[in-house]
Amino acid sequence: SYKLTQPPSVSVSPGQTARIPCSGDELGDKYVSWYQQKPGQSPLLVIYQDSKRPSGIPERFSGSNSGNTATLTISGTQALDEADYYCQAWDSSTYVVFGGGTKLTVL
Amino acid sequence: QVALRESGPALVKATQTLTLTCSLSGSSLSTNGMSVSWIRQTPGKALEWLARIDWDDDKYYAPSLKTRLTISTESSKNQVLLTLTNMDAVDTGTYFCARTTVVTNDNYFDPWGQGTLVTVSS
Repeated sequence: SYKLTQPPSVSVSPGQTARIPCSGDELGDKYVSWYQQKPGQSPLLVIYQDSKRPSGIPERFSGSNSGNTATLTISGTQALDEADYYCQAWDSSTYVVFGGGTKLTVL
Repeated sequence: QVALRESGPALVKATQTLTLTCSLSGSSLSTNGMSVSWIRQTPGKALEWLARIDWDDDKYYAPSLKTRLTISTESSKNQVLLTLTNMDAVDTGTYFCARTTVVTNDNYFDPWGQGTLVTVSS
């Protein structure tokens, strides 16, 4: 079955750029979505189809996907961006697959 | 604006069958292109997609759970039901429903309901 791998944690200083990777076999051939989840809340879609932002998502959130790695980039990271982030893709055999999640800490 | 709300028992016993309800507002399940998925989150925070139902009643299941899952609709109530048989402790978690956008070789989820916590007791 298809698998997506994320680092358990990423740390960033306020105002700096955070990059959260998501890896999978030939992931660049698939569409990747990203979700933000804060404690006690439901996941929120922040990026879909690799790099598109839903309405209401700040421009500091961006995404890319090439080769075996997709990356969620948060520019000018703010304290309110501290959350868990999950990547997700669609696969023809397993249908929907999620990464294990990355805890973003804004130090 | 579409909104979803899950409901169901907070506690079930091992071997029992779980039935959850997702109530949709702001849109109709019968609208062309509408799809709803169930997704669960374990206490360890992993997300796992379970099933999807489309406006035309097409249904899709996670291969690992297919034999235990049934997804259906109560169209008159604009609700999506999920049943999971033979519950076990590993099924403990928060169950979400989410509107699903389905395009060629892609599914993504927005918005999600608030989730309902289900605990399996022995």
